Amino acid sequence: KNEVEQSPQNLTAQEGEFITINCSYSVGISALHWLQQHPGGGIVSLFMLSSGKKKHGRLIATINIQEKHSSLHITASHPRDSAVYICAVSPMDSNYQLIWGAGTKLIIKP
Amino acid sequence: GAVVSQHPSRVICKSGTSVKIECRSLDFQATTMFWYRQFPKQSLMLMATSNEGSKATYEQGVEKDKFLINHASLTLSTLTVTSAHPEDSSFYICSARIEPLDTQYFGPGTRLTVL
Repeated sequence: KNEVEQSPQNLTAQEGEFITINCSYSVGISALHWLQQHPGGGIVSLFMLSSGKKKHGRLIATINIQEKHSSLHITASHPRDSAVYICAVSPMDSNYQLIWGAGTKLIIKP
Repeated sequence: GAVVSQHPSRVICKSGTSVKIECRSLDFQATTMFWYRQFPKQSLMLMATSNEGSKATYEQGVEKDKFLINHASLTLSTLTVTSAHPEDSSFYICSARIEPLDTQYFGPGTRLTVL
């Protein structure tokens, strides 16, 4: 079993829909990252969370440390949101290395 | 927020040549930088951890003589792919760690294509 699991693996939705991507992990962490990777490969850091909730524009990220679970939400989705969304965690006992989820490929259709 | 840049963003080279990729932290000092590699349709793989002023620590299976890492200053780490081969074609990403926040910020990545 992977230490970081994302669901779903693939998600196709219509423009305007509310999107939720989930990330569950099995280790103690000091932080959790959400990243976005576009088809060309470029990576954008969306959020770094250690507790609670963060919002940036139409993106919302939440984390529940007790349940070892995080969600990334996209409101009013748009075709330009189409990308791979990756969850990664910083384990507490690591030398700052990350454990990566496999990613969720999101396609928003117009 | 903190910004990490990579240069170049894309590079195409001939087999047998060497390619240098730069990773810079633009508005903070990073004592530790990380280099990742991403194979097609796969997640990122940590290649090495780079500490300013000391030798990089390579992950198992990563050839240190092939992937030379230099962390000469608190804002710059370089990855040199020596004698590149087509199988080295990949997407290379760096990240920089801010102390004492224990936060990593990611560069945008460099796509290397070896012909």
